[in-house]
Amino acid sequence: DTGVSQNPRHKITKRGQNVTFRCDPISEHNRLYWYRQTLGQGPEFLTYFQNEAQLEKSRLLSDRFSAERPKGSFSTLEIQRTEQGDSAMYLCASSASGTLNTEAFFGQGTRLTVV
Amino acid sequence: RKEVEQDPGPFNVPEGATVAFNCTYSNSASQSFFWYRQDCRKEPKLLMSVYSSGNEDGRFTAQLNRASQYISLLIRDSKLSDSATYLCVVNPYSSASKIIFGSGTRLSIRP
Repeated sequence: DTGVSQNPRHKITKRGQNVTFRCDPISEHNRLYWYRQTLGQGPEFLTYFQNEAQLEKSRLLSDRFSAERPKGSFSTLEIQRTEQGDSAMYLCASSASGTLNTEAFFGQGTRLTVV
Repeated sequence: RKEVEQDPGPFNVPEGATVAFNCTYSNSASQSFFWYRQDCRKEPKLLMSVYSSGNEDGRFTAQLNRASQYISLLIRDSKLSDSATYLCVVNPYSSASKIIFGSGTRLSIRP
C-alpha cells in the first residue's frame, strides 16, 4: 500500500501527558498537511509543509503543538501537556505541488482521546 | 467570515431524488476547487475536482461561479450509498498554499 500512512491509529492518554503522531506521506509528494477534525465538523487546518519547510501554522495551534518534517519525508505532530479539548481525529494529507487541481490524499487518521 | 462556508445540513432525501449543495469561498484569488466525500469515521476522499467550465462525472455535476464565489455539487438519481458528508475544498494556488475545507454537508438518503 503506497498511500498515506498514519501511526498510531488510536491513542488514549491521560491529561497532561505528551503524545506524538507520525505521518508517512506518499513518497513523491512534497506537500504535507496536518488537520484536526472533531465530530460533525470539517477538517480544521493545523499546519503545512513543503518539503522540510513548515510554511504555515494555524493560529488555532497553541504553543503545546509542534510539527516537524526533518528530511522532507515523514512528519511528526507532538502535543505537549494534553488537555481534554485536544481529543479529536488528527488527519495527515499529502499532495504533489506545481499544478492546479492537484488532489490531496489523506491517511486514515489518528484518533486521540484524552481522559 | 469563514474562508469556506457550507450548509451543514443534514439533507434527508428519498432514494432517486436530486440534491444540490452550495459552498461559498472568501478568497477571490482561489484557483482550485474540489468536492471530497467523507464516510462516517473514515478519511476524506476526493469525489471530483471542479473546473471553470463545470464538469460531470456520472450522476455528479460540479459547477464553479467565480463572480459569486461559490461552487456547487448536484447529485442526480441519488442512491443509498451516497449517504455521507460532502466537503467543499478550496486551494488558493500559489507556490505554497494550504488546502481549506468547509465544515461539510451531511447527506442521508432514505429508502
